[in-house]
Amino acid sequence: AQSVSQHNHHVILSEAASLELGCNYSYGGTVNLFWYVQYPGQHLQLLLKYFSGDPLVKGIKGFEAEFIKSKFSFNLRKPSVQWSDTAEYFCAVNSRIGKSTFGDGTTLTVKP
Amino acid sequence: GAGVSQSPRYKVAKRGQDVALRCDPISGHVSLFWYQQALGQGPEFLTYFQNEAQLDKSGLPSDRFFAERPEGSVSTLKIQRTQQEDSAVYLCASSPGQSSYEQYFGPGTRLTVT
Repeated sequence: AQSVSQHNHHVILSEAASLELGCNYSYGGTVNLFWYVQYPGQHLQLLLKYFSGDPLVKGIKGFEAEFIKSKFSFNLRKPSVQWSDTAEYFCAVNSRIGKSTFGDGTTLTVKP
Repeated sequence: GAGVSQSPRYKVAKRGQDVALRCDPISGHVSLFWYQQALGQGPEFLTYFQNEAQLDKSGLPSDRFFAERPEGSVSTLKIQRTQQEDSAVYLCASSPGQSSYEQYFGPGTRLTVT
């Protein structure tokens, strides 16, 4: 069975600070990896995804994530956060068509 | 439509009542998913359709939960004899193709069982 662990439940940063949110998964085979974001009052939406190729993937709004296969990790980064990045962030993995497994999410609060 | 829509957005049910939650996926999307999200947790997979075929229902927590997508478009998640532990947000997502792994989520239905 696959599982996803997000290490930080709540992160508080000041504007312009750098962000790194941890995500580790457990599954021995080929996986597809995702970060989703949920802004206050909005739907879950895709931030970025990794299927194959370059392990450093870039998403919307200046976010990026690095897939490190040996560490089973897919950490999310942003060099300089903005107040508008305040949201909940979910890491997800799937290994086959259909079922995705999500982490429990990290709430990011950015202070202006 | 522009996105995945779900109705109702909020539902309060008394314990023991049956409820039906509706999902309208993005037009033309082949795959449809249901997830359950409890407070403070991530979405948990319930079931998956490819067109009208229910290919995976391994996440349905009990036989009180039933989902259908009879014409390969709109889907309904039905919960019979609701229990307090069924209180959660029920999310629907759709995906364009059989091999597409990116999912587009609806706003969810918040179910409260009293």
